[in-house]
Amino acid sequence: QVQLQESGPGLVKPSETLSLTCAVSGYSISSDYFWGWIRQPPGKGLEWTASIYHSESTYYNPSLQSRVTISVDTSKNQFSLKLSSVTAADTAVYYCARHRGRTEYFDLWGRGTLVTVSS
Amino acid sequence: DIVMTQSPDSLAVSLGERATINCKSSHNILYSSNNQNYLAWYQQKPGQPPKLLIYWASTRESGVPDRFSGSGSGTDFTLTITSLQAEDVAVYYCQQYYNTPYTFGQGTKLEIK
Repeated sequence: QVQLQESGPGLVKPSETLSLTCAVSGYSISSDYFWGWIRQPPGKGLEWTASIYHSESTYYNPSLQSRVTISVDTSKNQFSLKLSSVTAADTAVYYCARHRGRTEYFDLWGRGTLVTVSS
Repeated sequence: DIVMTQSPDSLAVSLGERATINCKSSHNILYSSNNQNYLAWYQQKPGQPPKLLIYWASTRESGVPDRFSGSGSGTDFTLTITSLQAEDVAVYYCQQYYNTPYTFGQGTKLEIK
């Protein structure tokens, strides 16, 4: 059974860098899937932030592109998100998810982790 | 960016009745070379992640009850829930994966009347 589990600090100070990790179990992250991050501010809708395929292909939401980096660690079977210069507007539940192709739907989601940006 | 607009924002339906949620795309998301609509529907219950219900506009994900169905093409799509059950109370989102950035509708909150 494939599972995704997000982890990271629940509280980040403004102007600092948010770092999250998604551990993948039951499936090799090197196999033929894309891996992505979607966030959801409290009480609001869903926003895709970034996706990655096999470490070499990355895709970013232009609204965040200057601040976001996605990467894969195949040795740990996990992928990560870094978002720099955070503000209160980056407060959200961050979900990691899997999709089969660049133009395919998200078929498996992690449970999400709430990150609050506050001093 | 492709803008996805859902209607209505909220909906109250009696148990056993039909619920219909609409989703309109600002761009045609039907890819002519494979005749596929790049649209998915998700269900999100409180405190849970979104769950995939429908992809390619009308293909039901494995394990999803057949009271859920998707239809539409091009720019206009519909999610229909026939015979509403109590466990269907949730927020429903459409999403286009025709190109990046992938974008979602604002969500439709479905409640029991």
